[in-house]
Amino acid sequence: TQLLEQSPQFLSIQEGENLTVYCNSSSVFSSLQWYRQEPGEGPVLLVTVVTGGEVKKLKRLTFQFGDARKDSSLHITAAQPGDTGLYLCAGVRGGTSGSRLTFGEGTQLTVNP
Amino acid sequence: KAGVTQTPRYLIKTRGQQVTLSCSPISGHRSVSWYQQTPGQGLQFLFEYFSETQRNKGNFPGRFSGRQFSNSRSEMNVSTLELGDSALYLCASRAFTGSYGYTFGSGTRLTVV
Repeated sequence: TQLLEQSPQFLSIQEGENLTVYCNSSSVFSSLQWYRQEPGEGPVLLVTVVTGGEVKKLKRLTFQFGDARKDSSLHITAAQPGDTGLYLCAGVRGGTSGSRLTFGEGTQLTVNP
Repeated sequence: KAGVTQTPRYLIKTRGQQVTLSCSPISGHRSVSWYQQTPGQGLQFLFEYFSETQRNKGNFPGRFSGRQFSNSRSEMNVSTLELGDSALYLCASRAFTGSYGYTFGSGTRLTVV
């Protein structure tokens, strides 16, 4: 059972376009993370959002955590070919005694020059 | 500082055999988690170790086991391999169990034939 629904699964756009990836759940998470993974490598952490309603910006990437801490979005402005990769959202559950990441299915983004 | 090191990078095993994968966390990190990544199921949590104790376990059969040593290095073992165990196995380390900062290794690609 996939607790985190990510959409779209695939996205192919032209360089310079904007895009948004969504991550939705019926469950509340203590925090939510976004990762980017390239072929043959492990996911690389981009950001962690903790507070409901929180917005974080990382250059051309904007991350938002929903007020109810059940959903999140990633917006990329003026996409570049270097942004190509698999984007994964992951909900964090647990506390200091141990926790786990629950991943969405991922969004495969291709930015064409 | 050195990242998370997983060995071997690639492995081919026959059905029924067993396999041991190794993970060396970032120096000073004491928590190690293991994840399985497949095209059909995505990234799924296997278990987390901290201070040589399993703190959290995912929904995998008992054929999947792990351990952590006093130097925080961790091993994962899969016995009686099945074709469906073919996957990318990823290890992630973080400083302590309450830390948000997960760093993933490049993974071990296991193929069961």
